[in-house]
Amino acid sequence: AQKITQTQPGMFVQEKEAVTLDCTYDTSDPSYGLFWYKQPSSGEMIFLIYQGSYDQQNATEGRYSLNFQKARKSANLVISASQLGDSAMYFCAMREINTGTASKLTFGTGTRLQVTL
Amino acid sequence: DVKVTQSSRYLVKRTGEKVFLECVQDMDHENMFWYRQDPGLGLRLIYFSYDVKMKEKGDIPEGYSVSREKKERFSLILESASTNQTSMYLCASSLRGQTSNQPQHFGDGTRLSIL
Repeated sequence: AQKITQTQPGMFVQEKEAVTLDCTYDTSDPSYGLFWYKQPSSGEMIFLIYQGSYDQQNATEGRYSLNFQKARKSANLVISASQLGDSAMYFCAMREINTGTASKLTFGTGTRLQVTL
Repeated sequence: DVKVTQSSRYLVKRTGEKVFLECVQDMDHENMFWYRQDPGLGLRLIYFSYDVKMKEKGDIPEGYSVSREKKERFSLILESASTNQTSMYLCASSLRGQTSNQPQHFGDGTRLSIL
C-alpha cells in the first residue's frame, strides 16, 4: 500500500486565489511527521512546512498552511493568495519515528500546480 | 543556510560506463541520502548514510552503490550504467536524531542521461 498518496497529478489556480493540494498518508506509527516540499522547474527541492503527529494546531508558514485531519490521515497544503511564482511541483512526505530509520522520508508522487493570470 | 552541492547539473554517459555522482554538504549533517526522481513516481530512496562509512539500502538500491569516506561527502556510483538509470538524481542531508521535525535539505539535482 502507498504510504503517501497525492491524487491530483495537476492543478490550475488563478492568481490571488487560494488552492488546496491533497495528501493522504498511511501509517500505524503513532509518532510521525509530515512535510511539504516545492520543486520549481529549476529542480531544487524547497522545504515549505512541517506538521507533527502530536501537534495540536495546524502548521502555518506565511501563505502556506496545513489542514491536518489526523483521524482521516490527511495533511492537505493550502496556499493562499497564489502567485505566479507558486507554479511548481509540490511533494508531500512522511517520516515515521518508531518504525524503521527515523530519518527516512517517504514521498508522494507530487502535484504540479500552475498559477494562471 | 544549509548548502548541499551536487557536482553536475547535467551528465551524459554511455551504457556500461561506471558513473560517479558526488554530493557535498557544509552543515555537518550526519545523514545523507540519494534519491532518484522519475515522472509519476515521485522521489524514491536509493541509499542513505547515517555516519561515515555507514550505509543502508533504500527502496531501489539495485544497480547502485555508495561511498561515504568523509562526513561531508556522499557519492553515488552506477557500477555499469544502463539506459533505465536515465533519471534525475537528488542528494539530501539532515541532522540525525529522533526529533521528527528536521527537514532534509536538497541539492539542485543531476539530470543523468545514459545513451
